[in-house]
Amino acid sequence: AQTVTQSQPEMSVQEAETVTLSCTYDTSESNYYLFWYKQPPSRQMILVIRQEAYKQQNATENRFSVNFQKAAKSFSLKISDSQLGDTAMYFCAFTIIQGAQKLVFGQGTRLTINP
Amino acid sequence: NAGVTQTPKFQVLKTGQSMTLQCAQDMNHNSMYWYRQDPGMGLRLIYYSASEGTTDKGEVPNGYNVSRLNKREFSLRLESAAPSQTSVYFCASSERGRGLETQYFGPGTRLLVL
Repeated sequence: AQTVTQSQPEMSVQEAETVTLSCTYDTSESNYYLFWYKQPPSRQMILVIRQEAYKQQNATENRFSVNFQKAAKSFSLKISDSQLGDTAMYFCAFTIIQGAQKLVFGQGTRLTINP
Repeated sequence: NAGVTQTPKFQVLKTGQSMTLQCAQDMNHNSMYWYRQDPGMGLRLIYYSASEGTTDKGEVPNGYNVSRLNKREFSLRLESAAPSQTSVYFCASSERGRGLETQYFGPGTRLLVL
């Protein structure tokens, strides 16, 4: 069974700073997909960024980027130039490639951006 | 487009009562999912439907049943609610239910079982 662990329950930074959220996972699979989802106070889950395990290049989406370390089974999210609207719960998620996309989520990190 | 809609938004049940949570999507997606979110935990998959006419168990299916009524609608039923089922329930959909696809989530239903 796959597990996803986010070891930082809460983080807080000042607006415009850079922040990195940690995620580790455990799997015996060699090919899989990884995701970061954001859940603002509205509770709506929104996809932030995704990564294919067989691609060495780290994914980037505007101010969001990942540091994917396959050997260490680590998938951290970096938010640059943080904005007040980035305040949310952030969830790391995993799915294997074969079959249906059954996401396994971490416990989440509550990120607060302070003005 | 409304995306993924869920009803009701909030419900209080007594132990032993039954209820059905409704979910509908207007994106012509093939796959739909039901998750629950408990405090301090991530979302956990209850059931999913890879395509119309099929349903499969997820990580935590006990105490729940589902129906894929048609391509648009996927309902979750609690036959005899228990306090342990107090949670926020999310429905999601995706185009084919595979790989790197984005799952689109509804706004959630908050359920309190007394």
